[in-house]
Amino acid sequence: AQSVTQPDIHITVSEGASLELRCNYSYGATPYLFWYVQSPGQGLQLLLKYFSGDTLVQGIKGFEAEFKRSQSSFNLRKPSVHWSDAAEYFCAVAGAAGNKLTFGGGTRVLVKP
Amino acid sequence: KAGVTQTPRYLIKTRGQQVTLSCSPISGHRSVSWYQQTPGQGLQFLFEYFSETQRNKGNFPGRFSGRQFSNSRSEMNVSTLELGDSALYLCASSLATKGADNEQFFGPGTRLTVL
Repeated sequence: AQSVTQPDIHITVSEGASLELRCNYSYGATPYLFWYVQSPGQGLQLLLKYFSGDTLVQGIKGFEAEFKRSQSSFNLRKPSVHWSDAAEYFCAVAGAAGNKLTFGGGTRVLVKP
Repeated sequence: KAGVTQTPRYLIKTRGQQVTLSCSPISGHRSVSWYQQTPGQGLQFLFEYFSETQRNKGNFPGRFSGRQFSNSRSEMNVSTLELGDSALYLCASSLATKGADNEQFFGPGTRLTVL
């Protein structure tokens, strides 16, 4: 069965500092990996996705993620955080069917001025 | 293009009642998936419908059911509500393709409170 672990429940970062959110997955075959962001009272917005090819994926809002098969990881990064990046971030994996997402527990990001 | 819409946005019910939630996908999208989000269990997949047929199902009791209409709109129903059913129910739509490049677009959710 597929699973996703996000080890950090909360992260606090200063505005302008870099951010890295960790994600480890378990899946038997080649996974389809996603990062979503959820602002309070909102649905989920896709930041980026990985299916194959280049292991460094660029997304929206200046985010990027790196797929490392040997470590079963798909960590999300942003070089310089803005106050508007305060939200909850979810890593997700899907199998070949693609339409059943398994989510991690989420990481809540707080941005200090 | 309009996004995924869900109605109602907020709902309060009492234990034992039943509830129906509605989801209208993005125009042209034929797949609709439902997810439950709670503080304790996080985001969990309920089921997916494509062309009026359930294509995938999560690990939820039979009290949770859904359907999809010919225009791809979907409804989910929860019967005999329990306190633990209080959650944000999210709907997502996507193109019919499986696997690669099949992005799911989420609606704002329906917040269900069971008293």
